[in-house]
Amino acid sequence: DTEVTQTPKHLVMGMTNKKSLKCEQHMGHRAMYWYKQKAKKPPELMFVYSYEKLSINESVPSRFSPECPNSSLLNLHLHALQPEDSALYLCASSQDGRARGTDTQYFGPGTRLTVL
Amino acid sequence: GEDVEQSLFLSVREGDSSVINCTYTDSSSTYLYWYKQEPGAGLQLLTYIFSNMDMKQDQRLTVLLNKKDKHLSLRIADTQTGDSAIYFCADLGRDTGRRALTFGSGTRLQVQP
Repeated sequence: DTEVTQTPKHLVMGMTNKKSLKCEQHMGHRAMYWYKQKAKKPPELMFVYSYEKLSINESVPSRFSPECPNSSLLNLHLHALQPEDSALYLCASSQDGRARGTDTQYFGPGTRLTVL
Repeated sequence: GEDVEQSLFLSVREGDSSVINCTYTDSSSTYLYWYKQEPGAGLQLLTYIFSNMDMKQDQRLTVLLNKKDKHLSLRIADTQTGDSAIYFCADLGRDTGRRALTFGSGTRLQVQP
């Protein structure tokens, strides 16, 4: 099973709202990722957690706050977003994130976020 | 930093072969991946190749890697309308330290019946 699940599938929020995106995997992977994808563009890395610790933050604005409660779950807390933050948010997981060898990332279906 | 480039669009007829090309700049690349993305969906892993290989075949998919020229291609045999999607190549980069995927811009494959 190589499934990564994400909820919700769609989210519409105002600029003053607080919301959270959720991601879950049961493959025993120890690395989890958040990507942002704008229309007709490739995914852009936002955050990487490895063994439940934040290992990469790609200078993402503080209105995006990641959380990794355990090795199977990854959240992205959203607060005071801007309309330009509207995008598809993709979660991925991989076996390790640090070890040598292939570390294939498996992606979830994404959450389509619209900020009004 | 690393850079990965792809042509933006490819149109083929159903039943023909499709070849999607990708070039990368990172000479320390270890693994290179191909992902497929259908409209409104996430990325589906198709295949990957280790940098010391020059070819990998998986059913209708053939990956060719020319490490000297830093050129990667994905050939889809007997292309079907269900293959219409955006295809991304991605480079994992070096084997230690920061390991993050660098994606190409994506190639939109259109399959005409």
